[in-house]
Amino acid sequence: GENVEQHPSTLSVQEGDSAVIKCTYSDSASNYFPWYKQELGKRPQLIIDIRSNVGEKKDQRIAVTLNKTAKHFSLHITETQPEDSAVYFCAATDSWGKFQFGAGTQVVVTP
Amino acid sequence: GAVVSQHPSWVICKSGTSVKIECRSLDFQATTMFWYRQFPKQSLMLMATSNEGSKATYEQGVEKDKFLINHASLTLSTLTVTSAHPEDSSFYICSAPWGGLSSYNSPLHFGNGTRLTVT
Repeated sequence: GENVEQHPSTLSVQEGDSAVIKCTYSDSASNYFPWYKQELGKRPQLIIDIRSNVGEKKDQRIAVTLNKTAKHFSLHITETQPEDSAVYFCAATDSWGKFQFGAGTQVVVTP
Repeated sequence: GAVVSQHPSWVICKSGTSVKIECRSLDFQATTMFWYRQFPKQSLMLMATSNEGSKATYEQGVEKDKFLINHASLTLSTLTVTSAHPEDSSFYICSAPWGGLSSYNSPLHFGNGTRLTVT
C-alpha cells in the first residue's frame, strides 16, 4: 500500500520568511496530492492540491511542486504570517482511492 | 461553509457504554465516507471506509465489531464505538469526497470531528 513520509516534524520560522515541507510517497499509481492545514482541535482544511499531470501549482503565498519521477512533493509558504502557524499534512491517494496522510509538520511562525 | 456535518462535537462517556457519532454530507450525496482517528499530536489514521448500501471495509487492526459503521443513506454515515474503554479516547473525524465524486482524484472534506473521552 501507499506510504507517505513527511519532513520536518516541526518547523520554526520568522515572520516573513519562507517555509518548506517535503513529502515522499511510495505508490507510483498515486495521482492526487492534497495538502491540509489543521489548527488545534479543528478539522483539517484543504489549502492546495496538485494532480500528477501538473508539476507546480501556486495560490497566492502557497505553492506545491510535484516530482513524479522521484515520488516527492513539497509545500512552499512564502512571506509567512503568524496565522500560518498550524499543523500541515500532506497526503496521497493509493490505488484504492484512499488517502494516506503524512505524519504532519508543526509550523510555528514567530513575530 | 461546512460541507460535511459531524455530531456530536464532543462526548464524555463511561467505560463499557456505547457512543454513536453521525456524519452527514450537506448538499451532495456521498456513496463513500471515510472515518479517521487522530490521537494527540499524531496524524490522521484511516479506520474504515463506509459504503452506502454495503458493508464497511476496515483497515488492518481495526476491530469491526467494536467500531460499527452504518451508511444507511446517501447523506448519512454513523460510527458507533461499542463498549468503549479509556484507550478509545481520541478525536474521530469523518470525511467525504468533494461533491460525492470518487476519492481517487478529488479533495476530501472533513467533518468538525468528535472528541471522545471515556472515563
